[in-house]
Amino acid sequence: NAGVTQTPKFQVLKTGQSMTLQCAQDMNHNSMYWYRQDPGMGLRLIYYSASEGTTDKGEVPNGYNVSRLNKREFSLRLESAAPSQTSVYFCASRRQGAGEKLFFGSGTQLSVL
Amino acid sequence: TQLLEQSPQFLSIQEGENLTVYCNSSSVFSSLQWYRQEPGEGPVLLVTVVTGGEVKKLKRLTFQFGDARKDSSLHITAAQPGDTGLYLCAGRRPSNTGKLIFGQGTTLQVKP
Repeated sequence: NAGVTQTPKFQVLKTGQSMTLQCAQDMNHNSMYWYRQDPGMGLRLIYYSASEGTTDKGEVPNGYNVSRLNKREFSLRLESAAPSQTSVYFCASRRQGAGEKLFFGSGTQLSVL
Repeated sequence: TQLLEQSPQFLSIQEGENLTVYCNSSSVFSSLQWYRQEPGEGPVLLVTVVTGGEVKKLKRLTFQFGDARKDSSLHITAAQPGDTGLYLCAGRRPSNTGKLIFGQGTTLQVKP
């Protein structure tokens, strides 16, 4: 039972490079989320997708784009990475109507030099 | 400004001691959750409280939702080294369906 799978686990980029963080869930959940976690800041919502085909901005969307490819997959793209995007990124999913529980992946640690 | 303020941010105690972590806001939440996160892993849900004044217990952990649904607390009795981790509160605003707002977290270290 994989749950929420994120790839890669670690990544180092140079300023200006682009990359896509991948997330897939096998729980047939409707909603998916991307958060970033920085020391002393908790988790901040970047983007979320309430269902396949829909996406919406969270608290800190600038510099990011997302794609809800299908019900299972929700990717996060950094078009031109900046040092301020150095963070740990978490993907999460939630089943509609099943209460509030979020299931998280194990995170991607990203460093932008 | 943080919509959900957690205190303290760091706590280091000896095994067997009791502790309380607070999660406060000036805003009303339709529900509040507590998550626990270990290094290198994502947060894992401990409990959800939805009714003002609600108290839930999970073994040695007691969670309370404030009467006005603006705050919550987590009390741990007789802490053990296995309780070490980052504790996060998270709330859902009545007007923001689908969005969960997190506090900045409380790092707990329990020394044997």
